[in-house]
Amino acid sequence: DAKTTQPPSMDCAEGRAANLPCNHSTISGNEYVYWYRQIHSQGPQYIIHGLKNNETNEMASLIITEDRKSSTLILPHATLRDTAVYYCIVRDSNDYKLSFGAGTTVTVRA
Amino acid sequence: DVKVTQSSRYLVKRTGEKVFLECVQDMDHENMFWYRQDPGLGLRLIYFSYDVKMKEKGDIPEGYSVSREKKERFSLILESASTNQTSMYLCASDRAGGPRETQYFGPGTRLLVL
Repeated sequence: DAKTTQPPSMDCAEGRAANLPCNHSTISGNEYVYWYRQIHSQGPQYIIHGLKNNETNEMASLIITEDRKSSTLILPHATLRDTAVYYCIVRDSNDYKLSFGAGTTVTVRA
Repeated sequence: DVKVTQSSRYLVKRTGEKVFLECVQDMDHENMFWYRQDPGLGLRLIYFSYDVKMKEKGDIPEGYSVSREKKERFSLILESASTNQTSMYLCASDRAGGPRETQYFGPGTRLLVL
């Protein structure tokens, strides 16, 4: 997705918080930030989304900067099962389909 | 919890066969989608449907057709399978309502055409 930039990979220690950055400097006012992840050979799994406020659910927290040009997905206590490709997506009202970029490959190590 | 299920996780077919992939969602979603995912090409939309019996072509509809006779079910048909249709096929659904509505995916069907 050309609207977002993510690091290609990152490692994380099991039990620690994983902070995944996403840059979306051209985001406009009505566009939402979505995060999905995809574990090898499975369908993408929805994690969380937000417009401007920080959001938290049972899986993760989403921190969006005040200018909305970047966000961070936080997995509070990473486990080995969190090893996956994580996709940050910006959606507007015209985006009926989802476009995944290359994402960030997160490897959680014991 | 939203559940999107797909009829098969793995499928092996021969060139020229007609292939049916079924998808069912249990959340009364208006919209349903079929994507394919290939390494280096990301997710590409094949078809989507915004209501029963309604369909729209996506980015790569050639060689595929779809059917939506009931709201919860969306079928993808490969009329005559070819080796270049070997791929991971993903079904998704969401509620009509724009970008605030989350799109949920099924587990995927990995299709191999020999």
